[in-house]
Amino acid sequence: KQEVTQIPAALSVPEGENLVLNCSFTDSAIYNLQWFRQDPGKGLTSLLLIQSSQREQTSGRLNASLDKSSGRSTLYIAASQPGDSATYLCAVPRPTGNQFYFGTGTSLTVIP
Amino acid sequence: EAQVTQNPRYLITVTGKKLTVTCSQNMNHEYMSWYRQDPGLGLRQIYYSMNVEVTDKGDVPEGYKVSRKEKRNFPLILESPSPNQTSLYFCASSFGGNSPLHFGNGTRLTVT
Repeated sequence: KQEVTQIPAALSVPEGENLVLNCSFTDSAIYNLQWFRQDPGKGLTSLLLIQSSQREQTSGRLNASLDKSSGRSTLYIAASQPGDSATYLCAVPRPTGNQFYFGTGTSLTVIP
Repeated sequence: EAQVTQNPRYLITVTGKKLTVTCSQNMNHEYMSWYRQDPGLGLRQIYYSMNVEVTDKGDVPEGYKVSRKEKRNFPLILESPSPNQTSLYFCASSFGGNSPLHFGNGTRLTVT
């Protein structure tokens, strides 16, 4: 069974700092990986979906990378802002695409 | 506005009293799914549906039922709720395959 791990569980940084969130997975037979953001009391919002054939995907200040061979993905956030404070989760699908495995998330706090 | 709508947002009930949590999406998505989120355990898939009248078990289906009679709706049914089903529940949908997952805002269920 696929296991998805996110370390650290919590991260606190000063505003303006660039930061990297990590996601590791045990089974490299994935065809995409998604990064989500979850605000307190809210659902998950899809940030980036990176295909297995891609190495990077960018949206604004966010950049996600994927290295299937090492079972790792990173989410890079440039010039962090207090509004970036949230929990960030990664998820990978089974090859059939009908089940998803989520990491337990990294809780990010950006201090003004 | 494209969205996944869950109702109710909050629900407190007693052991054994049947309840239904509704989920509706307006994006014509084939794939719909239910998750529960618990501290330290992350998001776990309960049931999913690839299309109308097609449903299958996720990782934690015990004590839950679903139905998919219409493409847009995917209700979650707890026939006889128990306290261990106290959790935060999310409905999600997508076009399947390599498309992003869209989540509802969640239903916080408490069973006493």
